[in-house]
Amino acid sequence: DAGITQSPRYKITETGRQVTLMCHQTWSHSYMFWYRQDLGHGLRLIYYSAAADITDKGEVPDGYVVSRSKTENFPLTLESATRSQTSVYFCASNSAAGGLEGLDEQFFGPGTRLTVL
Amino acid sequence: QKEVEQNSGPLSVPEGAIASLNCTYSDRGSQSFFWYRQYSGKSPELIMFIYSNGDKEDGRFTAQLNKASQYVSLLIRDSQPSDSATYLCAVKYGGSQGNLIFGKGTKLSVKP
Repeated sequence: DAGITQSPRYKITETGRQVTLMCHQTWSHSYMFWYRQDLGHGLRLIYYSAAADITDKGEVPDGYVVSRSKTENFPLTLESATRSQTSVYFCASNSAAGGLEGLDEQFFGPGTRLTVL
Repeated sequence: QKEVEQNSGPLSVPEGAIASLNCTYSDRGSQSFFWYRQYSGKSPELIMFIYSNGDKEDGRFTAQLNKASQYVSLLIRDSQPSDSATYLCAVKYGGSQGNLIFGKGTKLSVKP
């Protein structure tokens, strides 16, 4: 399928377990992003990546790990899940960040709803 | 701290009316401004972007930008019940690497 996909769409796990959320895009976009969305907080950036093997922290990176060995994939790992990480996670991508008009748009995946018990 | 502020609403308008959504931002170096629409349980989708001061129209939607006052707004003319959603304002601030700062969103309800 063309576009940006996330898996799984729903996940229930227990405190202390490791969880990996997958993100895959078929556009060969350079930039990829992970957000979490919580009531009262809106969308908050966890990590982003400018290209393969280049990642950087966003606003709320603690407790999360990312990697990007291939341009099209950007997995997010919760090394030891906590209840506070219960959230909806969105992956996004865009083609360029140079400020060129029309190229800053971020395209979002469908989201993963994660529940940590 | 770079911030984007929106009134959380809910904003309720009757069908056919104009809905006005507002957003203010803190960083004067911000370059690009976006409005996303998010239906309940769905992901955000872009409906408008604006880079220059003034108005930009696209169908029933008009984005307005005033960099001196650091605000951006979205007008929805002839509002329809299908416009009922949460509208997210997002700002790309100067010097960022494509990162957007999102407001918390304004929930719009269009009553038939």
